[in-house]
Formats: sequence, C-alpha cells, structure tokens
Amino acid sequence: AQSVSQHNHHVILSEAASLELGCNYSYGGTVNLFWYVQYPGQHLQLLLKYFSGDPLVKGIKGFEAEFIKSKFSFNLRKPSVQWSDTAEYFCAVSFGAGSYQLTFGKGTKLSVIP
Amino acid sequence: DTGVSQNPRHKITKRGQNVTFRCDPISEHNRLYWYRQTLGQGPEFLTYFQNEAQLEKSRLLSDRFSAERPKGSFSTLEIQRTEQGDSAMYLCASSWRGTGGNTIYFGEGSWLTVV
Repeated sequence: AQSVSQHNHHVILSEAASLELGCNYSYGGTVNLFWYVQYPGQHLQLLLKYFSGDPLVKGIKGFEAEFIKSKFSFNLRKPSVQWSDTAEYFCAVSFGAGSYQLTFGKGTKLSVIP
Repeated sequence: DTGVSQNPRHKITKRGQNVTFRCDPISEHNRLYWYRQTLGQGPEFLTYFQNEAQLEKSRLLSDRFSAERPKGSFSTLEIQRTEQGDSAMYLCASSWRGTGGNTIYFGEGSWLTVV
C-alpha cells in the first residue's frame, strides 16, 4: 500500500542548529511531493513542492528539500533554524501522475530553543 | 483574505446530533477537498470535488457523512448522528486543475468536539 513515513516524531534543536527532517514514501511510480508547516494555532501552509525537474527545491523561509528517487525520500533541510520555526512539519505525497489526493505523514514536531 | 475559509471554527455537540461545516474555497479553484485530522496524526483524505461533481470518497467517509458542492463554489460537510469518534479537525482545501501540478491550499479547519 502507498504510504508516507516521517521518522522523527519530535525534534528539539537550539537556535542556529541545522535541521533535517526525513520523509520516505512507498510507491514506484510518479509522485508529487510537498512539505507543509503548521505553526501553533494556525492552518497548514505550503513550504515547498516538487513536481518535476531539479530535485533540489527551495521553499519559503530558507527551507529546501531534496528528492532522491532511488531512496524514495524527500528530506526537508534548513541550515540554521530560528525560534520562529517551532511548528509541526508534514510531508505529503500524491501518488501517480495527475493524482489529486494527498497522503500525509504523521508529522514531526520541531521545538527550537532560544 | 482570499484564502480558504471555513466555519464554524469550533463546534461542540452532543452525541447523536447533526453538525454541518461550510467551506468557501479560493476563488476560481475548481477542486475542493475535505480532510480530517486527529491529534498526533497527519490529515487524512475524506472526499474530493471537481466543480460540483464529487469524484471520490474515502472509505473513512461512512454513510453518516455527506458532502455537497451544489454550484461548484462553496461546499458543506454534514455529519449525522455524531459519535465521539468523530471528534477531530475537519480541513477543507482547494486547488486549481491546470498544468504544472496540483498545489493544494488548506483552510484553518473546523474543530469538532462530540461530548
């Protein structure tokens, strides 16, 4: 069955530390990949997306993600986190070309300590 | 604000009562989705509309749930005979079916608590 896995449930970092959140999916076909962020008390916001082309995609607020097809992964990175990055991060995948349905991972809660 | 709008934002209801949520998508978005999110989980797909046609329903959507999008604009999600297990955040989202992929934008959600 198609699925999305986020391996870290809760990550705690100090400000200025580097961040990498893992996301893996199980599916051998075409995928569209997304990272969403949910700040406390706010709605899901799109951080970045990958449809095709350059596997290294840049998003808002200094985030980037790299699609590694051979590893079925789409990890989220940021070189230096800030306290304001404290939020929950969700990886989401649509399976198949033209698919409209997103399958989400369980999310990773990021706490940044000032 | 031109984002996805949902109301009510919070609803507390007694078990067995019916509730209805409304979603107004981003203007001109022809695709509309409903998702459900419970604590500690990512959102789960419930149903999808393209214009006024409901094209897919998840098996999560029992026959107590019904969604409509009568004129291809706003949508409603009704839950009949609510159960405590229905307590969750109900998220509406919309997107535009076009070239370049399908980017989905979410609303703030409607919290349902069944007591």
